[in-house]
Amino acid sequence: SQQGEEDPQALSIQEGENATMNCSYKTSINNLQWYRQNSGRGLVHLILIRSNEREKHSGRLRVTLDTSKKSSSLLITASRAADTASYFCATQQVGSEKLVFGKGMKLTVNP
Amino acid sequence: EAQVTQNPRYLITVTGKKLTVTCSQNMNHEYMSWYRQDPGLGLRQIYYSMNVEVTDKGDVPEGYKVSRKEKRNFPLILESPSPNQTSLYFCASSLGTPNEQFFGPGTRLTVL
Repeated sequence: SQQGEEDPQALSIQEGENATMNCSYKTSINNLQWYRQNSGRGLVHLILIRSNEREKHSGRLRVTLDTSKKSSSLLITASRAADTASYFCATQQVGSEKLVFGKGMKLTVNP
Repeated sequence: EAQVTQNPRYLITVTGKKLTVTCSQNMNHEYMSWYRQDPGLGLRQIYYSMNVEVTDKGDVPEGYKVSRKEKRNFPLILESPSPNQTSLYFCASSLGTPNEQFFGPGTRLTVL
């Protein structure tokens, strides 16, 4: 069953702008992770946020988690053409060792 | 170099012909997993393994088998492939529970 749902499904911005992607999920989680995928290649882990954390930063990435709303957002600041990719959120539900991915969203950064 | 390798990378086969996709990691990770990726459906977990001889079903295990006889290897077996198993398959591994997953390059399987 699909747990996370990314929103929007596609986003097109200009280089230098910020990109915000949202993920909603349905059940209680241990952690939420964001991944990037370039054009059919293997996914690359970006950042993990645990259920007791509210915000994390990594370089130009900022992730927030609101467990009361069961949602997370990924902010990419000062976007670059190289950020063009598909982005996925994934959740590890409480009491499970599965990792459940959303359907992904496509970000296009125009030079 | 720390990596997850999969073989083959591309495979075209026919319905009913048994096949195995190998997965190997050199990071001494306990957790290994197989996913399939289909357009519009994202990634769906097929099977995962918490450690040697410990495997469990993901969300779409039907038609697949796995084994974990060694820590580094986690092969995916399709005993009787069918066209609906045409997909892009990824193997991944991580330390302990499903934390930061390291993904292999993918295997594109076509079943005719």
